[in-house]
Amino acid sequence: GQQLNQSPQSMFIQEGEDVSMNCTSSSIFNTWLWYKQDPGEGPVLLIALYKAGELTSNGRLTAQFGTTRKDSFLNISASIPSDVGIYFCAGRPIIQGAQKLVFGQGTRLTINP
Amino acid sequence: GAGVSQSPRYKVAKRGQDVALRCDPISGHTALYWYRQSLGQGLEFLIYFQGNSAPDKSGLPSDRFSAERTGGSVSTLTIQRTQQEDSAVYLCASSYRPGTGANTEAFFGQGTRLTVV
Repeated sequence: GQQLNQSPQSMFIQEGEDVSMNCTSSSIFNTWLWYKQDPGEGPVLLIALYKAGELTSNGRLTAQFGTTRKDSFLNISASIPSDVGIYFCAGRPIIQGAQKLVFGQGTRLTINP
Repeated sequence: GAGVSQSPRYKVAKRGQDVALRCDPISGHTALYWYRQSLGQGLEFLIYFQGNSAPDKSGLPSDRFSAERTGGSVSTLTIQRTQQEDSAVYLCASSYRPGTGANTEAFFGQGTRLTVV
């Protein structure tokens, strides 16, 4: 089945640094979504991408849908303490009839003050 | 409602007990998804509903797991004869419509944390 490889698994950075994480898939996806999950909460949608090459920003967050349709990245600029959490990529495979979202294993972001 | 609502938030079940987990999707959302998240892990797909039908139930781990959706709204995930390995957070999500493009984004509830003892 479709799998997403998300990296890095964890990041330890200083406040104010920029962050970059990415996801790659073994097959073509037609949707990429990025979520953030805080402890004890459900994932919260950050950015949605629908077209190859699409670059979308949401405040300090920027995400891109790779031109090969098999990858996506998320950047966070000038990190702040509230950015701490687990970030998940999710994609919808292009296989006909596939509606489920496939998730990466997450990137745990820790910020040192 | 304003968001996806799940109940209960926490459930402790004795091994062998049946449990029912409820999901109220965002009003007007036609697609509904159930996922399972074990401690420190990613999200594992369980089942997807379009309206009241489930075109994809490929993620249900065994026949002890079942789900239904009524009135195109509320969904219930039922686990029969619970086992310790069923302990996890069960997350529900809904989207306005299935397919691709705008309005297919999935919004999640807070989840139900199930602990089987």
